[in-house]
Amino acid sequence: SQTIHQWPATLVQPVGSPLSLECTVEGTSNPNLYWYRQAAGRGLQLLFYSVGIGQISSEVPQNLSASRPQDRQFILSSKKLLLSDSGFYLCASDRGGGGYTFGSGTRLTVV
Amino acid sequence: KQEVTQIPAALSVPEGENLVLNCSFTDSAIYNLQWFRQDPGKGLTSLLLIQSSQREQTSGRLNASLDKSSGRSTLYIAASQPGDSATYLCAVLSNFGNEKLTFGTGTRLTIIP
Repeated sequence: SQTIHQWPATLVQPVGSPLSLECTVEGTSNPNLYWYRQAAGRGLQLLFYSVGIGQISSEVPQNLSASRPQDRQFILSSKKLLLSDSGFYLCASDRGGGGYTFGSGTRLTVV
Repeated sequence: KQEVTQIPAALSVPEGENLVLNCSFTDSAIYNLQWFRQDPGKGLTSLLLIQSSQREQTSGRLNASLDKSSGRSTLYIAASQPGDSATYLCAVLSNFGNEKLTFGTGTRLTIIP
């Protein structure tokens, strides 16, 4: 079965600082990978997805970017954080119709 | 565009009761439907996955049903326990266009000891 590792679990960053959140997947190869954001009291919003190394699709225009340097590594980045980037970020993977597996999430607070 | 609705938004029941959570979706062209549990401040834990060709799935005290033609799924929890308190999310993987997982807004369940 798949296991997703996300770190850090919590992060407090000042406005204008850079961001790098990392997600790695174990137990599968060539997964589809996803970054979701969950704002307080709101549903899950898909930010990026990737079907392979170097292949990134963005769902919404924003201050964030994503990269997939290796098959089982997915990185969420920002050059300059905004207050509105605060939220709970979740990484997920799937094997095409076999169900999604989620990581434990990163709570980002931009101050 | 697929839309997923969960009713009620919040539910409180005494310990030991059986309960049903509801999920409805607007487009029946789906690959599968997945139920998740989310504890406060935590990630999502997959509970049950129902493929479009299946009618139900069971795991322990949980049973999920799927009626694709009517666009509905239910999650049945038997003999509820305080540890079942969490937010329950259903999500649909649609098979039109670029397949994406669409989430409902969740039902926050509280089991009263």
